[in-house]
Amino acid sequence: NAGVTQTPKFRILKIGQSMTLQCTQDMNHNYMYWYRQDPGMGLKLIYYSVGAGITDKGEVPNGYNVSRSTTEDFPLRLELAAPSQTSVYFCASSPFDRVTYEQYFGPGTRLTVT
Amino acid sequence: AQKVTQAQTEISVVEKEDVTLDCVYETRDTTYYLFWYKQPPSGELVFLIRRNSFDEQNEISGRYSWNFQKSTSSFNFTITASQVVDSAVYFCALSHTGFSGYSTLTFGKGTMLLVSP
Repeated sequence: NAGVTQTPKFRILKIGQSMTLQCTQDMNHNYMYWYRQDPGMGLKLIYYSVGAGITDKGEVPNGYNVSRSTTEDFPLRLELAAPSQTSVYFCASSPFDRVTYEQYFGPGTRLTVT
Repeated sequence: AQKVTQAQTEISVVEKEDVTLDCVYETRDTTYYLFWYKQPPSGELVFLIRRNSFDEQNEISGRYSWNFQKSTSSFNFTITASQVVDSAVYFCALSHTGFSGYSTLTFGKGTMLLVSP
């Protein structure tokens, strides 16, 4: 029962570097999400996808890009990393096209930009 | 705009005490869902409950209970006879269906619960 997996678990980036956070789910869920969690701030939605080839912006999309070429994978791309992107990133998936059911979360990626 | 307020930043109790975590929300949607998630020190997010806006029945699951009051836009969570393992950050979340017809979640800032022996 892999569920939602994320790699890497930890990463330190230098300012201006780029990287891709990987997210894979094996539950055949249509919906997938990327959140960032800053200390004391809850989770904020970065991007989401309702199916392969369909993505949309969330609350805080600036500085990020996503793609969804398959049902299973939903990578998050950081271009020109900035210290403000230091955060814990969570990927989640959901089986239905409305948020009427729970979202299943991955274990998170802790990213530090220095 | 959607908003979820968890006014209690941190709560400390002694084991076996009852504790209530407050959640107040704002929405213009007529149909919506409310959720509670638990984030233990290990960091993962664990789903606890989902409640839709048409169902105001209170729910009890073991030591956990939830009180949904639409009149006050509140969805409070009570832990009875708290245990050390209940120590975690608890998030309340609210669904919103946008013009596209797709739904997203808005999370509160969370309440950290510390249960000491």
